[in-house]
Amino acid sequence: KAGVTQTPRYLIKTRGQQVTLSCSPISGHRSVSWYQQTPGQGLQFLFEYFSETQRNKGNFPGRFSGRQFSNSRSEMNVSTLELGDSALYLCASSMNRVGYGYTFGSGTRLTVV
Amino acid sequence: KQEVTQIPAALSVPEGENLVLNCSFTDSAIYNLQWFRQDPGKGLTSLLLIQSSQREQTSGRLNASLDKSSGRSTLYIAASQPGDSATYLCAFYNTDKLIFGTGTRLQVFP
Repeated sequence: KAGVTQTPRYLIKTRGQQVTLSCSPISGHRSVSWYQQTPGQGLQFLFEYFSETQRNKGNFPGRFSGRQFSNSRSEMNVSTLELGDSALYLCASSMNRVGYGYTFGSGTRLTVV
Repeated sequence: KQEVTQIPAALSVPEGENLVLNCSFTDSAIYNLQWFRQDPGKGLTSLLLIQSSQREQTSGRLNASLDKSSGRSTLYIAASQPGDSATYLCAFYNTDKLIFGTGTRLQVFP
């Protein structure tokens, strides 16, 4: 059974550019969540998608956006990159039923220079 | 607002010791609790999931308990090994998102 796949694993971008990260959930999982991890703030919730609809959003600026496709794959986009966006971005998928937990991908390490 | 605190922040022990990692939270209205480990630069690996109606879960040398009345969860690691060295995170599932603790960085030396 394949796990959660995130691509790319590493990215280096310049300030002001935009970036798109991809996440393929476990087959059958319809919920995909995104988290940002930094040394100073720890793990913070970005947003969650279920059946192509954003159900929940964390406290991040509008430069952070996402979407989910009909096959449950999800992308997140960050526009006008800032140095502070450098982080490990983690995607998690879930069956979205009480009693089921989350499975995380290996993450995308984004460095903004 | 749910706040999650993990104590201790860091721990260094010799191989073979039994360990207790603590996680405390402020809001008892949680659904599930999940413990993860994270190796440096890597993603999160799920260790144990406790549903809100349960009090504990066990997997191998790991045992996690949940006491909603006191706002605490404990991860017990028996007979620690160098391969257990990692950061351990507790997370509460509340309203479609996970709220993470601050983490405990564990080092087990031979």
